[in-house]
Amino acid sequence: GQNIDQPTEMTATEGAIVQINCTYQTSGFNGLFWYQQHAGEAPTFLSYNVLDGLEEKGRFSSFLSRSKGYSYLLLKELQMKDSASYLCAVMDSNYQLIWGAGTKLIIKP
Amino acid sequence: IAGITQAPTSQILAAGRRMTLRCTQDMRHNAMYWYRQDLGLGLRLIHYSNTAGTTGKGEVPDGYSVSRANTDDFPLTLASAVPSQTSVYFCASSDAGGNYNEQFFGPGTRLTVL
Repeated sequence: GQNIDQPTEMTATEGAIVQINCTYQTSGFNGLFWYQQHAGEAPTFLSYNVLDGLEEKGRFSSFLSRSKGYSYLLLKELQMKDSASYLCAVMDSNYQLIWGAGTKLIIKP
Repeated sequence: IAGITQAPTSQILAAGRRMTLRCTQDMRHNAMYWYRQDLGLGLRLIHYSNTAGTTGKGEVPDGYSVSRANTDDFPLTLASAVPSQTSVYFCASSDAGGNYNEQFFGPGTRLTVL
């Protein structure tokens, strides 16, 4: 079966750095996505990785290792507005997205 | 219209009733999707459409039907609602012209079936 695993909840301090991990087992791989979802809102796109390595976009970076079935999202200089759920999703061989349950990130002052 | 809209925003429905959730996009995306999101679970694909006139079944299609008469609209119908269909429903679209397939989401419909 297909499976995406990520921690249910994480807590971090404003101004700090946090890493959210995602491991996956899917039938085929056509890229990995990270989305942000604030409570009561729709998911919004953060990043896309299809090749191994680190993609940096401002305060957010995403890393992929296809051989290990592993990705992480790194958030730097945390702000209170970063409190949200972070969803990991993998595009399988049918070009459909398989979603993890999401990691709820709580930022404390 | 900017992006994707969904209607209604929320709905309380008696079991056994028929309900259509509406979704419209103005980005001329060829692919559209319906997901449900339940607490503790990832988004689960109900149905999708790669282009106008075609539809396909996702992970959890039972009890739901869709149509794609044109590029912009992708309604989701519950023929006879049951309490297990209580969920938040998201419509999404993408310009599925290649491997990079970012999906854009509507604001969601919160459905409660009693």
